[in-house]
Amino acid sequence: DTEVTQTPKHLVMGMTNKKSLKCEQHMGHRAMYWYKQKAKKPPELMFVYSYEKLSINESVPSRFSPECPNSSLLNLHLHALQPEDSALYLCASSQPIKDRYGYTFGSGTRLTVV
Amino acid sequence: GENVEQHPSTLSVQEGDSAVIKCTYSDSASNYFPWYKQELGKRPQLIIDIRSNVGEKKDQRIAVTLNKTAKHFSLHITETQPEDSAVYFCAARGIIQGAQKLVFGQGTRLTINP
Repeated sequence: DTEVTQTPKHLVMGMTNKKSLKCEQHMGHRAMYWYKQKAKKPPELMFVYSYEKLSINESVPSRFSPECPNSSLLNLHLHALQPEDSALYLCASSQPIKDRYGYTFGSGTRLTVV
Repeated sequence: GENVEQHPSTLSVQEGDSAVIKCTYSDSASNYFPWYKQELGKRPQLIIDIRSNVGEKKDQRIAVTLNKTAKHFSLHITETQPEDSAVYFCAARGIIQGAQKLVFGQGTRLTINP
């Protein structure tokens, strides 16, 4: 299995809702990432987990809460989002060891906040 | 931190001609430089990458060159075809707290005219 699977593919939520995005990989990668991509812009890093521990938080607002329950799963919990948070949310995974290359993206969740 | 500049932002070429996209990076510690192709509504797909100990790499119609001294790298696509139309992102990778961190350029929208 060489894929990163993200669910759901599309999500529409109100500003008072709580929802979660899920990401799963079975490649044995020990680093997992959340990226946010707005239209016509490059992906922007949000969070990095390395060996199930949060290692990088790129000053993301607290209404986004990541969770890594185990080495294969990564969640992003959403609460009280704003319309400007509407974007494509991409999960990725890689080997964290510096000599290992390769970075696999999931197909993304397209989030619309209304 | 790392900063990646990408040019041009848009590029239009005739089918069969060559296309060149250029990127510069700021952190001399970056050691891995992937290129991604992203079609509308889809995930970024890795098309070619180069490590810092290599100056050039080729895969069929696609090649990448790296000049470490000048801190720039380029994507070359020869014999372009309509299916090459997409947004292309370059990226530079650093290692932070044991995890990879990819920093992306702003993207180049490539259009192949039949």
